[in-house]
Amino acid sequence: GENVEQHPSTLSVQEGDSAVIKCTYSDSASNYFPWYKQELGKRPQLIIDIRSNVGEKKDQRIAVTLNKTAKHFSLHITETQPEDSAVYFCAARSTSGTYKYIFGTGTRLKVLA
Amino acid sequence: DTAVSQTPKYLVTQMGNDKSIKCEQNLGHDTMYWYKQDSKKFLKIMFSYNNKELIINETVPNRFSPKSPDKAHLNLHINSLELGDSAVYFCASRGTSGGRSYEQYFGPGTRLTVT
Repeated sequence: GENVEQHPSTLSVQEGDSAVIKCTYSDSASNYFPWYKQELGKRPQLIIDIRSNVGEKKDQRIAVTLNKTAKHFSLHITETQPEDSAVYFCAARSTSGTYKYIFGTGTRLKVLA
Repeated sequence: DTAVSQTPKYLVTQMGNDKSIKCEQNLGHDTMYWYKQDSKKFLKIMFSYNNKELIINETVPNRFSPKSPDKAHLNLHINSLELGDSAVYFCASRGTSGGRSYEQYFGPGTRLTVT
C-alpha cells in the first residue's frame, strides 16, 4: 500500500543553523507534497507545499525540493529560530483512487538557543 | 471566523460509552476528513467525505461511524469506547476546485481520553 517514510524522527540544531528533513514516498502516482508544522497541543498547519511539476519551491527561510525519479522530497529550514521548534510532517497525496493524503511519521525539531 | 472547528475540544469518558465529535467548516470546501493522532503523533486517515458521500473508509473498527449531514459538517460517532480509542481526533477539509484545491486545513482537534 501507499507509504511515506520520514527521517530523522528527532533533530536538534543550534539556533541559526539549517535543518533538513527528508521523506520518501512509495506511490508514483502522488502529485502533491505538503509539509505541516505542529506545535505542542495545536493543529497541524500547512507551511509549504510542492506539486509534482515543480522541482523546488522557496518561501523565506523554508524551501522544499522534490526528486520525482527517486520519489524523495525534503524540507529545508535555514537560519533556524527557537520558534521553529515543533513536529514537522510530510505528506503525499495520491491521484490514484480516492486522492488520499498519506503522512510521514513526523520529525521533532528542537532549535537550541 | 474559524475555518475548521470541532467540538468538543476535550472529551473524557469511560469504557463502553458512546460519544460523538462534531466538525464544521466555513470554507466552502467539498471534501472533509477525519484523522486519528495517537500518542506517538502518527497521523492516520480514517474517513473522507466528498459532498456528503463517503469516499475513503480506512481499516477502522465498525464502532466508528462518520456522518455528513451536509458538505459543511462531518461528525464522528464512536460506540462502545475502548481504552485504545484514546487519541486526538482531527477533522480537516479541502476544496476541490481552484488553484488551492490541494490544500488541506485542519481543525483544532478533539482530545479523547477513555478511562
